[in-house]
Amino acid sequence: DVKVTQSSRYLVKRTGEKVFLECVQDMDHENMFWYRQDPGLGLRLIYFSYDVKMKEKGDIPEGYSVSREKKERFSLILESASTNQTSMYLCASSFRAGRSGNTIYFGEGSWLTVV
Amino acid sequence: DAKTTQPNSMESNEEEPVHLPCNHSTISGTDYIHWYRQLPSQGPEYVIHGLTSNVNNRMASLAIAEDRKSSTLILHRATLRDAAVYYCVTWAGFGNEKLTFGTGTRLTIIP
Repeated sequence: DVKVTQSSRYLVKRTGEKVFLECVQDMDHENMFWYRQDPGLGLRLIYFSYDVKMKEKGDIPEGYSVSREKKERFSLILESASTNQTSMYLCASSFRAGRSGNTIYFGEGSWLTVV
Repeated sequence: DAKTTQPNSMESNEEEPVHLPCNHSTISGTDYIHWYRQLPSQGPEYVIHGLTSNVNNRMASLAIAEDRKSSTLILHRATLRDAAVYYCVTWAGFGNEKLTFGTGTRLTIIP
């Protein structure tokens, strides 16, 4: 089975801290995505990457950065955490090209609370 | 903005069929139609996807309009475990395309 693993399920961080959320997939997927999910707002795309060292902004990139040094790993970085970044963060991955519709696989989510 | 429109919520009785609609009037010729569902406190999971023809799998059926501007996810016999938020997404899956989700449809199953 495809597995997308998010390193931490629950985190509590202080305002101003640098926060790393790690995501690893084991299916050699080219595409990887980071979303945040807040009540009533659905899934909002923060950043995505379609290859190693490549990254593209999603709809809400402000306050976040990402790193993709290896194909299987995509990290979301909060340079200076703020309380409005308290949310659930979801990582996802998929193949990139021409594979019958490219099913998207999600991790279980990381619940981040910034105090 | 999300490229799909879904009702915010729907209710259905247990053991009855459920039809979840989705409008995607700006779909391109290479976009697949995907459906995912999210159970409480979990990440979304794949349900079904298709391009032009109707599709069936063990979880559900996907009916795609002839002009591809809308689709319907069909749960043939709803159970309490089908209570979830259902997301409809259109995406080609290649190139540098963003993959954006809307707010989905919250399905409540009435025992």
